[in-house]
Amino acid sequence: DAMVIQNPRYQVTQFGKPVTLSCSQTLNHNVMYWYQQKSSQAPKLLFHYYDKDFNNEADTPDNFQSRRPNTSFCFLDIRSPGLGDAAMYLCATSRDFGIGETQYFGPGTRLLVL
Amino acid sequence: DAKTTQPNSMESNEEEPVHLPCNHSTISGTDYIHWYRQLPSQGPEYVIHGLTSNVNNRMASLAIAEDRKSSTLILHRATLRDAAVYYCIEDNYGQNFVFGPGTRLSVLP
Repeated sequence: DAMVIQNPRYQVTQFGKPVTLSCSQTLNHNVMYWYQQKSSQAPKLLFHYYDKDFNNEADTPDNFQSRRPNTSFCFLDIRSPGLGDAAMYLCATSRDFGIGETQYFGPGTRLLVL
Repeated sequence: DAKTTQPNSMESNEEEPVHLPCNHSTISGTDYIHWYRQLPSQGPEYVIHGLTSNVNNRMASLAIAEDRKSSTLILHRATLRDAAVYYCIEDNYGQNFVFGPGTRLSVLP
């Protein structure tokens, strides 16, 4: 009964080679989030979509982009991955955006940059 | 920056209660307190949240201080599967979650 699905669980890319991570949800939630979590650190929000409205965090590098073609799917594009972009990337959803909303996380995709 | 502070790590024995503290001294009147946990190699999962009153669910209890500047997550009987990093998050209306470093809970058999 997976609700937030991330594939693949592990992704290897080369320095500078564009990579796309995918997330899908079966919850029909309005909001989808992408977080970056580096080793032994807490998750850090990159951006979120409320429906089709994109909201970028102020300190998210331009190298990171996102697409949400429909309610169920959301993609994270890293245009030119550097060694410092190696991390776990977490997708999450919530029914709405606002106080008291619960976020549902996927299992994450671990990105390795060679 | 995270608005909550938690101990870096705690230890518990299996089948004993665990009290995980969190300070949120800058909390405002309408901010919720959320707790999430992250098991090894998994995404965070929701544990519980509350505003003013103490809250209970099947996973845990949340005790919120009367002045709301601190709260405690209570696991009534810790199991080995409860070993995780526990995050306390201050939920400000219109703002996104900011995860602090959390408390790493070890459960000893």
